[in-house]
Amino acid sequence: IAGITQAPTSQILAAGRRMTLRCTQDMRHNAMYWYRQDLGLGLRLIHYSNTAGTTGKGEVPDGYSVSRANTDDFPLTLASAVPSQTSVYFCASSDGVAGEYNEQFFGPGTRLTVL
Amino acid sequence: GQNIDQPTEMTATEGAIVQINCTYQTSGFNGLFWYQQHAGEAPTFLSYNVLDGLEEKGRFSSFLSRSKGYSYLLLKELQMKDSASYLCAVSNSNYQLIWGAGTKLIIKP
Repeated sequence: IAGITQAPTSQILAAGRRMTLRCTQDMRHNAMYWYRQDLGLGLRLIHYSNTAGTTGKGEVPDGYSVSRANTDDFPLTLASAVPSQTSVYFCASSDGVAGEYNEQFFGPGTRLTVL
Repeated sequence: GQNIDQPTEMTATEGAIVQINCTYQTSGFNGLFWYQQHAGEAPTFLSYNVLDGLEEKGRFSSFLSRSKGYSYLLLKELQMKDSASYLCAVSNSNYQLIWGAGTKLIIKP
């Protein structure tokens, strides 16, 4: 593994189904982030984690949950998917935490369609 | 509220120079980032400014004026591979990145 990987690459999901998007990084970065990217809008932060064992809510957290059991993995779960969650989801990581320069490195993204 | 404004789309000619502007209003300021994103790919880091002035990195330069809430990305000697979206993002008082919608740059031969 080099950098950040995400799985699946793409997924079509029926509304009401539960779905977990996976994210793994091998850079030993402290902080990790989940964003969604929709046409005409900037990246919007869903949840973040400054270090293993802690998580926080971003700008658009409703309908999503995360966990950070270890440094490398940061899965994003949609408990009951709705069509408005159709989007491209990017996982990112950075070496710094609050108070430090925090260039973020991005995974390749997961394209999710909820029907 | 917090917002980042950038033009939606720009067109330029191969070999020319283009300037992409970004204005911002955020709760606090801890630096401004520019990222490049090719269609269907992930954003990749281009530059970071935290102090006023110009940062030059090869063909790309980025300028910041904190008093004006303004930045620009300057791309010189444009190449076809520069066709991409350019994202402006500001680190706010909580050190979270607030992102603009991006500027799609089209390069014509």
